[in-house]
Amino acid sequence: DIQMTQSPSSLSPSVGDRVTITCRASHSISKWLAWYQQRPGKAPELLIYQASTLQTGVPSRFSASGSGTEFTLTITSLQPGDVATYYCQQYNTYPWTFGQGTKVQIK
Amino acid sequence: QVQLVQSGAEVKKPGSSVKVSCMASGGTFNFAVSWVRQAPGQGLEWLGVIIPTLDRTHYSMRFQGRVTISADESRRTAFMELSSLESEDTAVYYCVRDCGAASCSGVSSGDAFDLWGQGTRVTVSS
Repeated sequence: DIQMTQSPSSLSPSVGDRVTITCRASHSISKWLAWYQQRPGKAPELLIYQASTLQTGVPSRFSASGSGTEFTLTITSLQPGDVATYYCQQYNTYPWTFGQGTKVQIK
Repeated sequence: QVQLVQSGAEVKKPGSSVKVSCMASGGTFNFAVSWVRQAPGQGLEWLGVIIPTLDRTHYSMRFQGRVTISADESRRTAFMELSSLESEDTAVYYCVRDCGAASCSGVSSGDAFDLWGQGTRVTVSS
């Protein structure tokens, strides 16, 4: 199985801060990586697919990049509504696998 | 606009089975459906996928032999059955439209897991 490792596991930035989350794959997954946001008590929602393509309706303060084994998700100006856990997921090789999640809270 | 509507919460005894349904409401059912679960306070875990147009399934080896994913296209519904339940199977189970397993061309411009059901809480307790 392809292991996905996210860092950090949690962070507590201030409103307006730039936030960067990293996801590493144990084997190359090309561009087949997605990012999800899960707000407390809610189902996850797709933010980014194919490593860098913003899902329709997602605010432009979210962006992502990477290919192969190294990927990043960036929130350019954190808003209170961005409090959530963020997960990366590879869909290059079965079984699809997720990172362990990064919990973002407001300082 | 299609929605994925899942069946209600379940409470099961250890050793029994549970079957969760997921109906595509408001649209056609010509896409792959994956099942993902989330134990209390834990992350996301993929169980498997069904690709109805190819009559194909793929399962996580971790659940191989215990999970069965099926679909009834005439009812626009997918099902996930998990057997030999243990307390560790207590979780919220989600169905998702999986545009990574098979193209969603014609129903979505997105990719990966672009549509999620509301989740079904399964509690396994004696």
